[in-house]
Amino acid sequence: EAGVTQFPSHSVIEKGQTVTLRCDPISGHDNLYWYRRVMGKEIKFLLHFVKESKQDESGMPNNRFLAERTGGTYSTLKVQPAELEDSGVYFCASSQGWNYNSPLHFGNGTRLTVT
Amino acid sequence: AQKVTQAQTEISVVEKEDVTLDCVYETRDTTYYLFWYKQPPSGELVFLIRRNSFDEQNEISGRYSWNFQKSTSSFNFTITASQVVDSAVYFCALSEAVDSWGKLQFGAGTQVVVTP
Repeated sequence: EAGVTQFPSHSVIEKGQTVTLRCDPISGHDNLYWYRRVMGKEIKFLLHFVKESKQDESGMPNNRFLAERTGGTYSTLKVQPAELEDSGVYFCASSQGWNYNSPLHFGNGTRLTVT
Repeated sequence: AQKVTQAQTEISVVEKEDVTLDCVYETRDTTYYLFWYKQPPSGELVFLIRRNSFDEQNEISGRYSWNFQKSTSSFNFTITASQVVDSAVYFCALSEAVDSWGKLQFGAGTQVVVTP
């Protein structure tokens, strides 16, 4: 089966611009997560979708970030306007269930550089 | 406060040597879950193992083994007879019962470099 796919793999934008990241979870996985690793820091949780609903968005840093998952399939994460501190790697993960027996499967990440 | 500490930033070994990665966690929950992920140069995070707080049995999978000790809040990972393909960043992570499943708290990661 195909894994979690993310694109673009890299994005370089200027401060103030808008960027949209996309994540396609593993087919049939209702749970979708966004994480990010900014330079020199740990990988941090951003939010969790169950189908199209936001289950937990406690990790979203501010209102410049907007995540959507219309239809409960793929998800997008928009950063508008981007700031320098948004640079980092954004990971998406999915899981079939919502329990111990459903480990998270991560994608390759999108490396975002804001100049 | 950081809940998962991986004190080793980088470990360099020669092929066939054993390498142990330390992971110390902090939680007040009695129910929690621990994970190890591998990030090879290609970038994806590859799931290696999960453990719940009620299962202290150590586990071996091929050249990989894990030592979970609640008394010291540690979940260490050993690669036996390392190979060049083991070169990667390894992350330890914690999920607490008070949080939703899937909300992992990661350590800073340990870069393992295996040279021929």
